[in-house]
Amino acid sequence: AQKVTQAQTEISVVEKEDVTLDCVYETRDTTYYLFWYKQPPSGELVFLIRRNSFDEQNEISGRYSWNFQKSTSSFNFTITASQVVDSAVYFCALSAYNTDKLIFGTGTRLQVFP
Amino acid sequence: EPEVTQTPSHQVTQMGQEVILRCVPISNHLYFYWYRQILGQKVEFLVSFYNNEISEKSEIFDDQFSVERPDGSNFTLKIRSTKLEDSAMYFCASSEGLPKTAQETQYFGPGTRLLVL
Repeated sequence: AQKVTQAQTEISVVEKEDVTLDCVYETRDTTYYLFWYKQPPSGELVFLIRRNSFDEQNEISGRYSWNFQKSTSSFNFTITASQVVDSAVYFCALSAYNTDKLIFGTGTRLQVFP
Repeated sequence: EPEVTQTPSHQVTQMGQEVILRCVPISNHLYFYWYRQILGQKVEFLVSFYNNEISEKSEIFDDQFSVERPDGSNFTLKIRSTKLEDSAMYFCASSEGLPKTAQETQYFGPGTRLLVL
């Protein structure tokens, strides 16, 4: 069975702090993809990144970076120098071979205070 | 930049009524999805649709639900007789194709917030 766990329900930081959102996944498939989505207060789901199971290179995009470690089944997301606009719920998700669905974690609510 | 659109943004209905939620997927996408998110909970898969038929559905997607692509652009979710527990945000998503390969990114619409009274 596939599962995504985001143990951090809510994180509060002050602007300019760095923050890491944890994601741990379970799957028996060797081919799978991991995703992060952002859900701002307006409610939409915004795609941030996709990573496949064969590519463990870390990725950086501006203030965002992602650390994928198969050895610990984790795909963590770090925001550097957080800003108020980063306040949102962040979802980690998993898709596995031979299924259409994305399996979401329960999300982490990030609040960035000025 | 192309995006998935959904109408209406909000819908209030009485228990037992039928509702139709509408979505316009990204134009060159071939694969369509519905998800729902009950308030404060995680996003759950309902159904996927490819080549004019359901590709996969979850246990949530029972006989009260149906999906349709009535024309070349719209994709709809119908709930025949709404229940209180159907109150949720419903998201439509689309992806380019290659079903069941796990690699496609699903792009989500802004959602329809359904409230059943």
